[in-house]
Amino acid sequence: DGGITQSPKYLFRKEGQNVTLSCEQNLNHDAMYWYRQDPGQGLRLIYYSQIVNDFQKGDIAEGYSVSREKKESFPLTVTSAQKNPTAFYLCASSPGQIYYNSPLHFGNGTRLTVT
Amino acid sequence: QKEVEQNSGPLSVPEGAIASLNCTYSDRGSQSFFWYRQYSGKSPELIMFIYSNGDKEDGRFTAQLNKASQYVSLLIRDSQPSDSATYLCAVNNFNKFYFGSGTKLNVKP
Repeated sequence: DGGITQSPKYLFRKEGQNVTLSCEQNLNHDAMYWYRQDPGQGLRLIYYSQIVNDFQKGDIAEGYSVSREKKESFPLTVTSAQKNPTAFYLCASSPGQIYYNSPLHFGNGTRLTVT
Repeated sequence: QKEVEQNSGPLSVPEGAIASLNCTYSDRGSQSFFWYRQYSGKSPELIMFIYSNGDKEDGRFTAQLNKASQYVSLLIRDSQPSDSATYLCAVNNFNKFYFGSGTKLNVKP
């Protein structure tokens, strides 16, 4: 079955440590996204990538970094510069720019807790 | 001004009633519009999408779009307790998706 796999489901880290969240998709989608969700809030865009080897900052990119070396993979690194990293992180994908009416498909999310 | 605005609720309706959820967006160039349902602790799941003015029906759900007023709504007919969730409105603008903060719906048995 096609889908988006995020791992791990839960992640615990100490303050000051970098951590990388995995996102893999087998939907053959060109575009991939990372969102952050805080309790009781909507989704805020961190980074997105329309094509391999290219990505753009979203609205809250500070303290995060990404790479897009393969079409299937879009890992997110939460660096020690991110002031409030504890949140629910969602990876999503869509077919790409010419399919602008296509929805986002979401992974199951990673809940990151930093203490 | 936020790109997408929703009333956070909670919106409480009795079982069997119609639930009406609303959303406004700021960018007139937005191309397509989506409603997602999110249960607590889970990822969003797609309910409906619409990109032309008017109504679109799918089972108990109807999405309505008015581009002149920059307004999108979702009607849920015959609401069930299992419909209790947060409903997120999303707007696609050149493949960049913006989300509202969501409306929490409670359907009382």
